[in-house]
Amino acid sequence: KQEVTQIPAALSVPEGENLVLNCSFTDSAIYNLQWFRQDPGKGLTSLLLIQSSQREQTSGRLNASLDKSSGRSTLYIAASQPGDSATYLCAAPLSSSGSRLTFGEGTQLTVNP
Amino acid sequence: NAGVMQNPRHLVRRRGQEARLRCSPMKGHSHVYWYRQLPEEGLKFMVYLQKENIIDESGMPKERFSAEFPKEGPSILRIQQVVRGDSAAYFCASSPGAQGNTIYFGEGSWLTVV
Repeated sequence: KQEVTQIPAALSVPEGENLVLNCSFTDSAIYNLQWFRQDPGKGLTSLLLIQSSQREQTSGRLNASLDKSSGRSTLYIAASQPGDSATYLCAAPLSSSGSRLTFGEGTQLTVNP
Repeated sequence: NAGVMQNPRHLVRRRGQEARLRCSPMKGHSHVYWYRQLPEEGLKFMVYLQKENIIDESGMPKERFSAEFPKEGPSILRIQQVVRGDSAAYFCASSPGAQGNTIYFGEGSWLTVV
């Protein structure tokens, strides 16, 4: 059974700061790992998808890394902005189940102007 | 290219009534997933469907819940005889294939049982 943990549960930073969100998973036999953003009362927006064969993915100010051997992924946000305030979720499907995503509880980020 | 469309966005039902939630996947996507997010909890997988087939329903409650994805039309998540504990956000997602693809989520349907 896959378990996904995210720390910290909540994070508050001043605008402009670089920050790292952490995600760990218990079963390294993952097919890929996906980071999402969820705004209050909204659905999930896919940010980055890292295939199991990849080490990292970048999109704008976001960089996600994946270390399967240690069961960890990080999401790095550079030069944070108030608009980045949201809950960030990581999710990983087991390679044996392909499509079924197991989500972490999320990190609630607040970027203060 | 419209995203994953869910309706209704908000639904209020009295205990014992039925709730029907609809999901139209992104164009070209034949794989649909339903997840539930209970208040103050994370997202939990419910069911995975392809056209006319249920692939994985291991996350579905054994009773009162059912899902379908007919050849024509949207996917439907049906909850019979709703109880207060069913109050949650129900998210639909879709992907073009089974594995290795980005999964796209809809805006969710918020069910409140009174």
